[in-house]
Amino acid sequence: SYDLTQPPSVSVSPGQTASITCSGDKLGNRYACWYQQKPGQSPVLVIYQDTKRPSGIPERFSGSNSGNTATLTISGTQAMDEADYYCQAWDSSTVVFGGGTKLTVL
Amino acid sequence: QLQLQESGPGLVKPSETLSLNCNVSGGSISSRSYYWGWIRQPPGKGLEWIGYMYYSGSAYYNPSLKSRVTTSVDTSKNQFSLKLSSVTAADTAVYYCARRPEAAGYGMDVWGQGTTVTVSS
Repeated sequence: SYDLTQPPSVSVSPGQTASITCSGDKLGNRYACWYQQKPGQSPVLVIYQDTKRPSGIPERFSGSNSGNTATLTISGTQAMDEADYYCQAWDSSTVVFGGGTKLTVL
Repeated sequence: QLQLQESGPGLVKPSETLSLNCNVSGGSISSRSYYWGWIRQPPGKGLEWIGYMYYSGSAYYNPSLKSRVTTSVDTSKNQFSLKLSSVTAADTAVYYCARRPEAAGYGMDVWGQGTTVTVSS
């Protein structure tokens, strides 16, 4: 089976840049997506096809994917960005999620 | 705007079958451009993909759940369904239905609000 590894937690100060990584074997050869989930809410897709933002997602969210690591970057992090973030990729036609990263804005 | 709404029993007994429906409104489940799927989240834990299906019925499942999962599409009701057999306490979770555009690399772009299912006698 294919595994995706994320750090359990990341902390960032307001206005600074937060980077959340997702590691998997040759992940750069696959597409990666990212979801944001706030407490008690459903996940929201924030990045798809490695780098693209769905309509309505702020420009401060960006993604990259190369080698064994996909990265979600949040520039000018705001308090409202505090949430859990999950990466997701595909293993053949099946979906794999990373374990999630709790982003704390303090 | 497309909306998804899960429904089903909130309590299921161990060894029985969990059955959930996802009603699709604001769009057609028969669209050739989308997959329709299920994801769950145990209390305090991360997301786990269960599976997704095409409107025609072709489906892909999480290998760890495949032997217990059945999905179906009812185009007349514009809804799709999940059945998970032989449940245990480990199947207690919030269950989400979601839509995934079929283009490669596209994640799940519309989610239901989720429904909590507890497995307990």
